Amino acid sequence: GNSVTQMEGPVTLSEEAFLTINCTYTATGYPSLFWYVQYPGEGLQLLLKATKADDKGSNKGFEATYRKETTSFHLEKGSVQVSDSAVYFCAHRYNQGGKLIFGQGTELSVKP
Amino acid sequence: ETGVTQTPRHLVMGMTNKKSLKCEQHLGHNAMYWYKQSAKKPLELMFVYNFKEQTENNSVPSRFSPECPNSSHLFLHLHTLQPEDSALYLCASSHLLAGGTDTQYFGPGTRLTVL
Repeated sequence: GNSVTQMEGPVTLSEEAFLTINCTYTATGYPSLFWYVQYPGEGLQLLLKATKADDKGSNKGFEATYRKETTSFHLEKGSVQVSDSAVYFCAHRYNQGGKLIFGQGTELSVKP
Repeated sequence: ETGVTQTPRHLVMGMTNKKSLKCEQHLGHNAMYWYKQSAKKPLELMFVYNFKEQTENNSVPSRFSPECPNSSHLFLHLHTLQPEDSALYLCASSHLLAGGTDTQYFGPGTRLTVL
């Protein structure tokens, strides 16, 4: 079936550390891939997306590359800030029908 | 207001109460969604509405009753809920494109507690 698997949290980093949050998906065909972020007390916000293989999505210093060969979409940031503390969700969506499949979320905590 | 708004932000209700959650989108979208977010679980899609017509119901119990009077408004009517229904209920909207849908934009959610 279709699913998304993320690395378990919480992930705790010091400010300016390098961040990687792993995400792999199971799907037939070629879904679009997304990262959403949820700050404390808020809803989900779209962080970045990629719609085809080898596309790189980027926003606010975060990047993720659509890797078809490894069915992955890992989220990276070179230097995290305290304000990046949030829960990050990886998701995929088929263009037909539009249903989003979410991972379980990874909590990131950045300490000063 | 811009984006997707939800009211109330917090709701506490007893198992015999009837209440409603409201979602409004100001983005000109024509598809709207209800999701349930429980602790330690992936987001669960509950309902999808395209052009006010329900197109998906993910085996949601009948104590949850959605209503979409127009493309900008979505309600979730609640009655005789159970404590395990306590969760964050998120509304989202998107454009409906030929062959699928565009990116979904989420509201801030309603934190529901059932006593």
